[in-house]
Amino acid sequence: DQQVKQNSPSLSVQEGRISILNCDYTNSMFDYFLWYKKYPAEGPTFLISISSIKDKNEDGRFTVFLNKSAKHLSLHIVPSQPGDSAVYFCAASGGQNFVFGPGTRLSVLP
Amino acid sequence: SAVISQKPSRDICQRGTSLTIQCQVDSQVTMMFWYRQQPGQSLTLIATANQGSEATYESGFVIDKFPISRPNLTFSTLTVSNMSPEDSSIYLCSVGWTGNTIYFGEGSWLTVV
Repeated sequence: DQQVKQNSPSLSVQEGRISILNCDYTNSMFDYFLWYKKYPAEGPTFLISISSIKDKNEDGRFTVFLNKSAKHLSLHIVPSQPGDSAVYFCAASGGQNFVFGPGTRLSVLP
Repeated sequence: SAVISQKPSRDICQRGTSLTIQCQVDSQVTMMFWYRQQPGQSLTLIATANQGSEATYESGFVIDKFPISRPNLTFSTLTVSNMSPEDSSIYLCSVGWTGNTIYFGEGSWLTVV
């Protein structure tokens, strides 16, 4: 049973436009959510996170939105750049347990 | 964050052999974890490496197959024992301090032939 889901395996966006990556979770005990970016042949890189007491967190071009009632979060990248092309993993934690989604491959087209 | 170094970065191993992966962090960390990413799959937690005591394994992973050591707060090893082609994966060391965020090493790419 997948506790963290990313239903879009891939997404293509034009350079300069907004990329929206979605993530859903099932466990209401999760209280912290994170996004990681992974390039081929590299380890995942932490991007941005949000606590369950907030509904939005922004860092430069990256914004994460959390809808607790829907158990849904999303990552917005504006404007998208070709260097953003990577696999994005959503993760959720409750205590020291981190659960990852299957990832979404983002392709930003020049 | 810290610098997290893994060795080897990549290896091709013979079926039935064992390989030890090292993870070195440039500062003391409270939490160290080992993850696996099989081809096309997500990141799966193998175990939490506990300093000075036995690792805590997740369901589906056992100490005989994946022995882990953590002699201090900056270093850990993961051994993949009696390897089969199904063990071909990326093995990732990750660390954390506050419990809110974890950071990953660059990964060790294992191919078992």
